[in-house]
Amino acid sequence: DGGITQSPKYLFRKEGQNVTLSCEQNLNHDAMYWYRQDPGQGLRLIYYSQIVNDFQKGDIAEGYSVSREKKESFPLTVTSAQKNPTAFYLCASSADRSYQPQHFGDGTRLSIL
Amino acid sequence: GIQVEQSPPDLILQEGANSTLRCNFSDSVNNLQWFHQNPWGQLINLFYIPSGTKQNGRLSATTVATERYSLLYISSSQTTDSGVYFCAVVGFGNEKLTFGTGTRLTIIP
Repeated sequence: DGGITQSPKYLFRKEGQNVTLSCEQNLNHDAMYWYRQDPGQGLRLIYYSQIVNDFQKGDIAEGYSVSREKKESFPLTVTSAQKNPTAFYLCASSADRSYQPQHFGDGTRLSIL
Repeated sequence: GIQVEQSPPDLILQEGANSTLRCNFSDSVNNLQWFHQNPWGQLINLFYIPSGTKQNGRLSATTVATERYSLLYISSSQTTDSGVYFCAVVGFGNEKLTFGTGTRLTIIP
């Protein structure tokens, strides 16, 4: 089935560690996005990419990094510079530019030990 | 940037009731989506509706772009309808989907 796969579902990080969240899509979508959701809040955009080897910062990019080496993959690294990384992270993709509907993965919950 | 306001913030209904959720936005849009986030966090696409009216089973949505609002109707509510409903928009000339703060719907058996 076509869709967006995020892994792992749950992730624990020690302070001072970097950690990478995986996002893979087989929808042949050009654009991919990473969002952060805090409890009781809406989603905020971290980074997005509209084409391979290119990406742009969203509203809350500090402490995060991404790469887009393949069309299907858009991994997010939460660095030690991110002071409050505990959150729910959602990856999305859309066929073309952002005026096309976005489809979401099931998310990764990141917690600090 | 574009502002998105949803109302009401919370709604508690008996099973079988109907409900209307509202989304107001501050500027012209070329993308408007309604999502349902279930208790497990999954974000489910309900409608892609930058203008006009769509229906899918017990759910329907209407966007009046000229007046900058959208409505989501849920009829004959079921307990599985519980969760948070988000409206999200992309303004013209923008590239980002901006989310509202959501409406938390609780359906009581």
